[in-house]
Amino acid sequence: NAGVMQNPRHLVRRRGQEARLRCSPMKGHSHVYWYRQLPEEGLKFMVYLQKENIIDESGMPKERFSAEFPKEGPSILRIQQVVRGDSAAYFCASSPRGQGAYTEAFFGQGTRLTVV
Amino acid sequence: DAKTTQPTSMDCAEGRAANLPCNHSTISGNEYVYWYRQIHSQGPQYIIHGLKNNETNEMASLIITEDRKSSTLILPHATLRDTAVYYCIVRVEGDKIIFGKGTRLHILP
Repeated sequence: NAGVMQNPRHLVRRRGQEARLRCSPMKGHSHVYWYRQLPEEGLKFMVYLQKENIIDESGMPKERFSAEFPKEGPSILRIQQVVRGDSAAYFCASSPRGQGAYTEAFFGQGTRLTVV
Repeated sequence: DAKTTQPTSMDCAEGRAANLPCNHSTISGNEYVYWYRQIHSQGPQYIIHGLKNNETNEMASLIITEDRKSSTLILPHATLRDTAVYYCIVRVEGDKIIFGKGTRLHILP
């Protein structure tokens, strides 16, 4: 059973371009979470998605950021018109259902976005 | 905001037990204590979780006080590969994980 797969592992974008980060959850997992980690800082929750639904987006910036988890295919975190401050590591986690007491969340290895 | 308090950093000699404390004095009856760690530049890794009773798995032991206001993660025989930031997290079932600042554990050769 493959783990949570994130790609690309490294992404370089020029200011103003779009960044698309993909996350394939573990097999059988229907819940996905995205986190951002700025250099030398902690992990910040961004958004929680279930298949075709956004459950909690309280950590998402109001503009330029969006996330989806379609019925088929990976979850996508999309950042439009990137700025240098978007440079960070973005981690995805998946669980078989809501991050419940009897289920742990498994994290991917992250995508490191660099905006130049 | 994170509901836990952890020391910023700790040192432990290789081969010795590493004991990482965590205070969660406002924990609710339906909240579990979870521990994750993040080795440099990698994704967080689940370690262990518990509600009331002490728990043990192949990685660590979790000791929760009777009043549940604090807990200790024990790595029985620390190795250099255990150098990481360790996060103590409390949450209810179905909720997202909120990470605090964690404890930076240095294993000394």
